[in-house]
Amino acid sequence: NAGVTQTPKFRVLKTGQSMTLLCAQDMNHEYMYWYRQDPGMGLRLIHYSVGEGTTAKGEVPDGYNVSRLKKQNFLLGLESAAPSQTSVYFCASRPGTTMTGELFFGEGSRLTVL
Amino acid sequence: SQQGEEDPQALSIQEGENATMNCSYKTSINNLQWYRQNSGRGLVHLILIRSNEREKHSGRLRVTLDTSKKSSSLLITASRAADTASYFCATDRSRGAQKLVFGQGTRLTINP
Repeated sequence: NAGVTQTPKFRVLKTGQSMTLLCAQDMNHEYMYWYRQDPGMGLRLIHYSVGEGTTAKGEVPDGYNVSRLKKQNFLLGLESAAPSQTSVYFCASRPGTTMTGELFFGEGSRLTVL
Repeated sequence: SQQGEEDPQALSIQEGENATMNCSYKTSINNLQWYRQNSGRGLVHLILIRSNEREKHSGRLRVTLDTSKKSSSLLITASRAADTASYFCATDRSRGAQKLVFGQGTRLTINP
C-alpha cells in the first residue's frame, strides 16, 4: 500500500518548457488536490478534483492545467513554465464520504524553472 | 489569502519542555486540522477538531479551539527531538470538497 505517490520527485526546466506532474493514489479516494509550497507562504491550493472526470480551480490556478481521467490519477500540467512556478508541489487525497476530512499527502515534487 | 496564521513563526525549546503553537483564522469553519511536516517530506495529519468541540487530546498532543476568538492552539507535551518539524494549521470552510486552507506554519526545533 503505497498511499499517494508523486513523480517525478525533482525536475529542472527552462522557461517556456512544458511538463506534467503525476499523482497516483491506491486508496480509492474520491477527492484529490494539488498544492504548491513556497517559503513563508504555506501551502496554496492550485486545482482539485471531487471525482473522476471532474476538476476545479483553487486559489492559484493560473499557468496550470489538470486532468483526472482515472480515479487513481491526478495530473498537473505546466504548458509554458515560468520562474515564478519554481516551487515544491504536493498532491493530496481524501475519501469522499469520510467525516474526518483528513488529507493524505505525497512526498512532494521539487520543480526549478530557470 | 491565507486563512490560518500561525504564531510564532519559529520556536526553539529544550527537550522535555512543552511547546505551544497558535493559529488564528478569519472566517467561520467546519473544522480545524493540524499537520506536521518533517524537512523535505510531505505533510502528515495529526489531529482534527470540529467547530462544536473545544478541546481534543491525542497522545502528547492537546488541541483547543475558541470559535469566538477564531483561534486554536496546539500543545505538545514532554517534547522530544523527533518532534522537530514544521506544524501547520488548516481550516475547512466549505462543505463537499473540503478545500483545506493552510497557514504559513510554525518551525519547531527541539534541542537535546
